Amino acid sequence: SQKIEQNSEALNIQEGKTATLTCNYTNYSPAYLQWYRQDPGRGPVFLLLIRENEKEKRKERLKVTFDTTLKQSLFHITASQPADSATYLCALDSSNTGKLIFGQGTTLQVKP
Amino acid sequence: DAGITQSPRHKVTETGTPVTLRCHQTENHRYMYWYRQDPGHGLRLIHYSYGVKDTDKGEVSDGYSVSRSKTEDFLLTLESATSSQTSVYFCAISGSSGASSYEQYFGPGTRLTVT
Repeated sequence: SQKIEQNSEALNIQEGKTATLTCNYTNYSPAYLQWYRQDPGRGPVFLLLIRENEKEKRKERLKVTFDTTLKQSLFHITASQPADSATYLCALDSSNTGKLIFGQGTTLQVKP
Repeated sequence: DAGITQSPRHKVTETGTPVTLRCHQTENHRYMYWYRQDPGHGLRLIHYSYGVKDTDKGEVSDGYSVSRSKTEDFLLTLESATSSQTSVYFCAISGSSGASSYEQYFGPGTRLTVT
């Protein structure tokens, strides 16, 4: 069956460290993968999109990798800050139609 | 949330009553989506629209219908609400999809409780 999985356990790190979140998928061959941030009581906010022919994408302190062989994407936040505390969602388009399938999200807590 | 509004933001209704949620955008984006978000299930697509009067089903469309008579408005209707439809509903928009898909922009959400 098709699955998209993120660590369900919260990730707690110290301010200044690098946070690494994982998104694994099975039985999909997505053309691209997206990462979103969601704060409590609010809608998700788009962060980054990485295509299947891109190994890595960066935006300020954020970096995303996409390994289609491992069927995995890693999301990194360098020099993390307490303001980065949120739930991070990965999403892929299983049919290349814009219909996204979301992971359940990983909650990141950055402690000062 | 800029450019996307949802109404109502909160609603409590009784089982068996019809409910309509509205999504309004000012971005003139072609694609609009309705999702529900539940603990343990994450965000799941209910229906989406790829143009005026053009809609298609998502992953969890049973019990829901949609309509899009204008570019800016996408309505989600629960014909006869059930307790299993208690959830937070998000609308999203995007400028394109398919081979050159773009990010989706989400509204603030509607919290619906069916008693």
